[in-house]
Amino acid sequence: GAVVSQHPSRVICKSGTSVKIECRSLDFQATTMFWYRQFPKQSLMLMATSNEGSKATYEQGVEKDKFLINHASLTLSTLTVTSAHPEDSSFYICSARAQGSGELFFGEGSRLTVL
Amino acid sequence: AQSVAQPEDQVNVAEGNPLTVKCTYSVSGNPYLFWYVQYPNRGLQFLLKYITGDNLVKGSYGFEAEFNKSQTSFHLKKPSALVSDSALYFCAVRTGNTPLVFGKGTRLSVIA
Repeated sequence: GAVVSQHPSRVICKSGTSVKIECRSLDFQATTMFWYRQFPKQSLMLMATSNEGSKATYEQGVEKDKFLINHASLTLSTLTVTSAHPEDSSFYICSARAQGSGELFFGEGSRLTVL
Repeated sequence: AQSVAQPEDQVNVAEGNPLTVKCTYSVSGNPYLFWYVQYPNRGLQFLLKYITGDNLVKGSYGFEAEFNKSQTSFHLKKPSALVSDSALYFCAVRTGNTPLVFGKGTRLSVIA
């Protein structure tokens, strides 16, 4: 079946640094990708919708300058957490909508820990 | 606005017994309903979906769900639970091409 790869799966960084998380659709093209954030023992909260070749649409309350999203190709979207702080520590999950079928596939998630 | 309610934070069931994880939704328009399962520190795995057609949907690993329009529900069921079914289960809804909206999740614990 279709696979969405997220990298890195785990990252630990110091406060103030920036971290980039990649989301790749491995065997299909994705015109739209979604980025979610999951706090411990909580649901997935949609952060932004990323469309290939255009600016991402951010949900209310999500700082676009803090969470930079780039969707430069039909198979890759990146989330960059800029000047990370401990409160940014979370599990970030991407999903990709397949071009044509519209099926949605999820990545394995990336756990960010900011010290 | 779309919303999903999973009224139970935790469901405990004995191995071999039937299980039900509840989900109700609120949307404007026709709902597309989904169930996903999440194991610790992993992404979401698709179980099943309802788009249109038969109200009883069969999915992966022996799970099924019934779409009930009058009760706006989409409960997840399995006739005989396995210990390996223990995980976090999410119900989700969307309409058209809108992003998925997730419920808060229900932790299923199957006891041997």
